[in-house]
Amino acid sequence: QVQLMQSGGEVKKPGASVKVSCKASGYTFIKYGISWVRQAPGQGLEWVGWISTSSGDRNYEEKVQGRVTMTTDTSTSTAYLELRSLTSDDTAVYFCARAPGPTIFGDVRHLDNWGQGTLVTVSS
Amino acid sequence: IPMTQSPSSLSASVGDRVTITCRASQRINTYLNWYQQKPGKAPKLLIYAVSSLQSGVPSRFGGSASGTEFTLTISSLQPEDFAIYYCQQSYATPWTFGQGTKVEI
Repeated sequence: QVQLMQSGGEVKKPGASVKVSCKASGYTFIKYGISWVRQAPGQGLEWVGWISTSSGDRNYEEKVQGRVTMTTDTSTSTAYLELRSLTSDDTAVYFCARAPGPTIFGDVRHLDNWGQGTLVTVSS
Repeated sequence: IPMTQSPSSLSASVGDRVTITCRASQRINTYLNWYQQKPGKAPKLLIYAVSSLQSGVPSRFGGSASGTEFTLTISSLQPEDFAIYYCQQSYATPWTFGQGTKVEI
């Protein structure tokens, strides 16, 4: 079955960087993309961005553009989210989810399998 | 594209018919999905492309659309359906979610 297994929680100081991993199994990794979605404590869902696992094409939410890098390692079927210059506003649970690929603009445009989430806490 | 969900919360009983509405600020064709989230868990895809039921999701869940207004219907609420429901548009990036509807007992 499809599984997305994320790395453990992180506590970072303001200004630091964090890198969250998401290891996929149960499907052909390069046939789908990966999206990242975050959820601040007690709040709703916010799409962070998308990466094509086959081409490396990326699409980032404007709010994090310039601070975020999404990458993949096809040899280990793992996706990564790196967020730099952290502030308290970045405190959230970060979810990876299986997304359409190789393009985000195809006929299929939904997130059908999700990781368990990684809590990133930014605090001095 | 802002997505406006209503109501933000509702109280219902087991067996009730429940309707949640999501309005898009502009045309989004059929790129509208619904997710269910339970406390401390990841969201779960229920319905994609307005009305297509995700595999394994009970048939009491249904989706429909009229213009830029989209509806999630639970025909007979079950105990396991008490959760927060989110709509999401995938017509244009950034993909955006509604603010959520909490379904309570």
